[in-house]
Order: sequence, then structure tokens, then C-alpha cells
Amino acid sequence: ETGVTQTPRHLVMGMTNKKSLKCEQHLGHNAMYWYKQSAKKPLELMFVYNFKEQTENNSVPSRFSPECPNSSHLFLHLHTLQPEDSALYLCASSQVMGTITGELFFGEGSRLTVL
Amino acid sequence: AQSVTQPDIHITVSEGASLELRCNYSYGATPYLFWYVQSPGQGLQLLLKYFSGDTLVQGIKGFEAEFKRSQSSFNLRKPSVHWSDAAEYFCAVGAGTASKLTFGTGTRLQVTL
Repeated sequence: ETGVTQTPRHLVMGMTNKKSLKCEQHLGHNAMYWYKQSAKKPLELMFVYNFKEQTENNSVPSRFSPECPNSSHLFLHLHTLQPEDSALYLCASSQVMGTITGELFFGEGSRLTVL
Repeated sequence: AQSVTQPDIHITVSEGASLELRCNYSYGATPYLFWYVQSPGQGLQLLLKYFSGDTLVQGIKGFEAEFKRSQSSFNLRKPSVHWSDAAEYFCAVGAGTASKLTFGTGTRLQVTL
């Protein structure tokens, strides 16, 4: 299996549920990212991990909790979400060389609906 | 602060016609510029990128883009569109790091047969 794989592809949850999104990259990259894609809005960077260490948190509410156990896996734990959190959540990976980020490779996304 | 403007939200072209998607950016230094494509239900795929050098950049699927510093533009072109090109196209500008990458709001391309 190659590329960036995200599961589940679709998720419906209530505001009191706890769920997780999973991302796995098979490209040998050292950086992984979570993006949020909402209709008619630019792609929003949420979190960045370099070599398993979180290097960016763009003021994301604490109801989103990322986890990166190794350079190949990234999770986004969700709890007590709001309806406005409904969106497509995209995972990406890249090879970071010094301060330069190579091309971003995206997964197909997890479509989240919060009821 | 850097920004990207894609003035066309939706464009419709006939199959076989030429295509130009506009992208204007605001950035204080020489930018890194990208075009990504997103097909329905898919993630984003890189079409092409500009870091330096030749201002006319060739990408995958027959696409090209031209960096024009004087106009702060990085327009995407294709001489003959195929029905499979129907998708959403995103321009992005950055400083070389993903945390500094700003995406536009996208242009949805519809191709009529």
C-alpha cells in the first residue's frame, strides 16, 4: 500500500461522542499534518508534527487532540465537538529538509458530520 | 501577511477548449507557489510548483503555470481540457514550510462535452 491513507472516510457523531481519525503514510516522510477543509473557506492548517514532535498548533480548540506515536501514524481524537466542526479533515505528509518542506502528499480525507 | 486570491469561484469550459485559472498572491519576498487539484471525494494532488528559475513551469496532466512577479500572479493553463479535468483547483503560496503555506479558496472547473 502506498501514499497516505485515512480512516474512516466518513464519520457521523453526536456532540457528546468520542471518536478518532487515523492517518498512515507509507512514503517514509518525517512530517505529518492535519488540515480542515470547510466549504467556501481556504484550507486551514491545524497541527504539524516533525519527527513525532508537535511543532505547530494553530489555535485549535482543545476538543481536537492530535497524537503522533511515530513518523508514519497520526491520529486526531475528537470529543464534545460542535456542529460547526463538520468538515473534511485532511491528513498530509512531507519530507522536511532543514527549513524547507517538500511537496505535501494528501490523503483522501475523513468527512466528519457532527449532529 | 501573505494571501492568495483565486477570483473565479466556478468556471465552465467545453472539452477541447483552452483553460486559464487565475491566481494572485501577496507576499513580501520571492514566494514558493503551488497548484493543487482535488477531484470529488479525493485529497489534494500537486500539479506543479515554482521555487525559482524558469518562470514557466510544467506540471502533470499537461498543465503549466507562469510566474509573473510584476503582476503577482501564478496562473494555471492547459491548451486543451479533457472531461477528466473537472475538479477543484487550489493555488497556494508559502515560504517553503507547510506552516507558512496559504491556500486560496479554490476554483471549481466544470467541463462540458
